[in-house]
Amino acid sequence: AQKITQTQPGMFVQEKEAVTLDCTYDTSDPSYGLFWYKQPSSGEMIFLIYQGSYDQQNATEGRYSLNFQKARKSANLVISASQLGDSAMYFCAMRELSGGYQKVTFGTGTKLQVIP
Amino acid sequence: SQTIHQWPATLVQPVGSPLSLECTVEGTSNPNLYWYRQAAGRGLQLLFYSVGIGQISSEVPQNLSASRPQDRQFILSSKKLLLSDSGFYLCAWSSGGLAGTNEQFFGPGTRLTVL
Repeated sequence: AQKITQTQPGMFVQEKEAVTLDCTYDTSDPSYGLFWYKQPSSGEMIFLIYQGSYDQQNATEGRYSLNFQKARKSANLVISASQLGDSAMYFCAMRELSGGYQKVTFGTGTKLQVIP
Repeated sequence: SQTIHQWPATLVQPVGSPLSLECTVEGTSNPNLYWYRQAAGRGLQLLFYSVGIGQISSEVPQNLSASRPQDRQFILSSKKLLLSDSGFYLCAWSSGGLAGTNEQFFGPGTRLTVL
C-alpha cells in the first residue's frame, strides 16, 4: 500500500483564491509527523509546514495551513490568497519510525499553477 | 546556522562511466543524512539514509552505493552508470533522534544526465 497518496497530479487556481492540495497517508506508527514541501522550477525543496500526530491544533504558517483529519488519515494543505509565486510542485511527506530510525516517505506531488 | 552543499550542480556522463556526488553539511553535528533521486516530473525516491558515520541503509537495490566517511559528509557513487540513473539527486539532512519536528533540509541538488 502507498504510504503517502497525492491524488491530484495538477491543479489550477486563480490568483488571490484559496486552494486545497490533498494528501492521505497510511502508517501503523502512533507517533508520526506530516510535512509539506514546495519545489519551484529551480529544483530546491522548501519546507512549508509540519503537523505532529499528537498535535491537537491544525498547523498554520502564514498563508499555509494544514487540515489534519487523523481519523481519515488525511493532511491536506490549504494555501490562502494564492500568489503567482506559489506556482510549483508540492509534496506531502510522512516521517515514521522504521527499524528504530526515522524514515520519511514522499508522495508523488501536485503541480500547482496560479493563473493571473 | 546550518547549510548543506552539493556538488556538482550539473553533470553529463556517458553510460558505463563512474559517478561520485558529494554532500556536506555545516553547522550541525551527528545529522541524519539522506540521498533522494527525482526522475523528471516525478516524486522523490529515497535511495540511502545514514544515522552515523559508516552506517548506511539502502532503500532500493541498484547499481548505486553511498558512503559516509565523516560525520557531515555523504557521498553517492556508482562504478558504472546506466541510462536510468539520469535524474535530479537531492541530499538532505535532519537532526538526529526524535526531538522536534525533524523536518528535512535539502541541498540544491545535482542534475545528472547519462547519455
